[in-house]
Amino acid sequence: QKEVEQNSGPLSVPEGAIASLNCTYSDRGSQSFFWYRQYSGKSPELIMSIYSNGDKEDGRFTAQLNKASQYVSLLIRDSQPSDSATYLCAVTGTASKLTFGTGTRLQVTL
Amino acid sequence: DGGITQSPKYLFRKEGQNVTLSCEQNLNHDAMYWYRQDPGQGLRLIYYSQIVNDFQKGDIAEGYSVSREKKESFPLTVTSAQKNPTAFYLCASTDRWGDNQPQHFGDGTRLSIL
Repeated sequence: QKEVEQNSGPLSVPEGAIASLNCTYSDRGSQSFFWYRQYSGKSPELIMSIYSNGDKEDGRFTAQLNKASQYVSLLIRDSQPSDSATYLCAVTGTASKLTFGTGTRLQVTL
Repeated sequence: DGGITQSPKYLFRKEGQNVTLSCEQNLNHDAMYWYRQDPGQGLRLIYYSQIVNDFQKGDIAEGYSVSREKKESFPLTVTSAQKNPTAFYLCASTDRWGDNQPQHFGDGTRLSIL
C-alpha cells in the first residue's frame, strides 16, 4: 500500500463546476496535510494546509479532513481553465517526513 | 524578497561527470530538503538537513551527496554513481524540522544526460 494515494486522472470538469480531488494516507499518526498545485514544468505551489478534522475554506478552495477514515480532499468551486494543473496531496507522518502522492491531473474544459 | 533560489534552471550532465545543483534561501530557515520528481510521479526525498552542519539521507540518497556548511545554502551533487539522473530537482525549506509547517519550493532544476 502506498503511503499517500491519489487517482492520477485526468479529472475533467466543465468551467464553473465543482472539482473534487481525493487523497488517502496510510500513517494513522499523520498530523498535517497539504495540497499543492503544480503547473506543467513548474514547481509545486502550496494552496491549502489543514491540521484538524473538518473543513477549511479559502476562497474557491475547501480542504476536508477525516482522520478516522484517513482521507483528505480538496474541492474547487467555480472551476476555471486556469485551475487546470496537477494537484499533489502531501502528508506529514509520525517521523515528521513529508510524503507526496503522485498527483491528480485536473482539466477544466470550456 | 524572501525565497528559495535554485540554479541553474537547466543542467546537462555527461557520462562519468559529477554536477552540483545550487539551493540558496534567505528565509532564515533551519531545515532544508532536496526532492526528485520524475514524469507523472510525486516528489521523492533525496536528502534533508534539520540544521546547519547536519544532514540525513532520505528515501533515494544513493548516487547523491550534499553539504550544509551555511544556513542559507544546501547544494546537491549528482555523482556519476547515479545512473538515471534525468529528473526535475526541487529544493525546499521550513522554519524548523518537525514543526508541521508546509514546505515551500524553489523553481527547480531540470537535469538531463547529454
